[in-house]
Amino acid sequence: AQTVTQSQPEMSVQEAETVTLSCTYDTSESNYYLFWYKQPPSRQMILVIRQEAYKQQNATENRFSVNFQKAAKSFSLKISDSQLGDTAMYFCALAAGNKLTFGGGTRVLVKP
Amino acid sequence: GAGVSQTPSNKVTEKGKYVELRCDPISGHTALYWYRQSLGQGPEFLIYFQGTGAADDSGLPNDRFFAVRPEGSVSTLKIQRTERGDSAVYLCASSQGRGAVETQYFGPGTRLLVL
Repeated sequence: AQTVTQSQPEMSVQEAETVTLSCTYDTSESNYYLFWYKQPPSRQMILVIRQEAYKQQNATENRFSVNFQKAAKSFSLKISDSQLGDTAMYFCALAAGNKLTFGGGTRVLVKP
Repeated sequence: GAGVSQTPSNKVTEKGKYVELRCDPISGHTALYWYRQSLGQGPEFLIYFQGTGAADDSGLPNDRFFAVRPEGSVSTLKIQRTERGDSAVYLCASSQGRGAVETQYFGPGTRLLVL
């Protein structure tokens, strides 16, 4: 069984500042991938960033970066230079085998 | 190119009725997934198709739920004898290759409300 836990239901951040979202996971699989998805009010899930578990280097995508701590089973997302358009639900997800398992989500509110 | 599309966007039905939800994946994507997202929660896996066959249907909650993908492209999720607890957003996703490690691209979902 796989589990993904996001312990922060909601985070707020001032525009242009940085916010970090936490995610921990558990799996018995050795080959797995981790994702962060963004879900704005339109409901469309949008891929933010992806990390292969076998890679030690942390993934980055423009203003988004992760801190992947494999031994601790931790996968946090850092949003730098926050923009109003970053306001959304953010979901951490673990892919192993046939399943993508999501956490409960963190609502991010970027304030002007 | 076109993304994943789902129809209808919203569906209101009465308890006990039958509903069908449609998903059009990205052209050429062999893998297709259905998820259910209840209010305030993350999506939960329902079923995974590889081509025409259901490779993993372990997430379907009971035998009232069924899905098909007869030609390996469009998929339909069918719910019989709907219950109020079935109210949720149903998301579809598609990907290239095999297995969930491939990046999945999601549709906008169908919001189902059972009265």
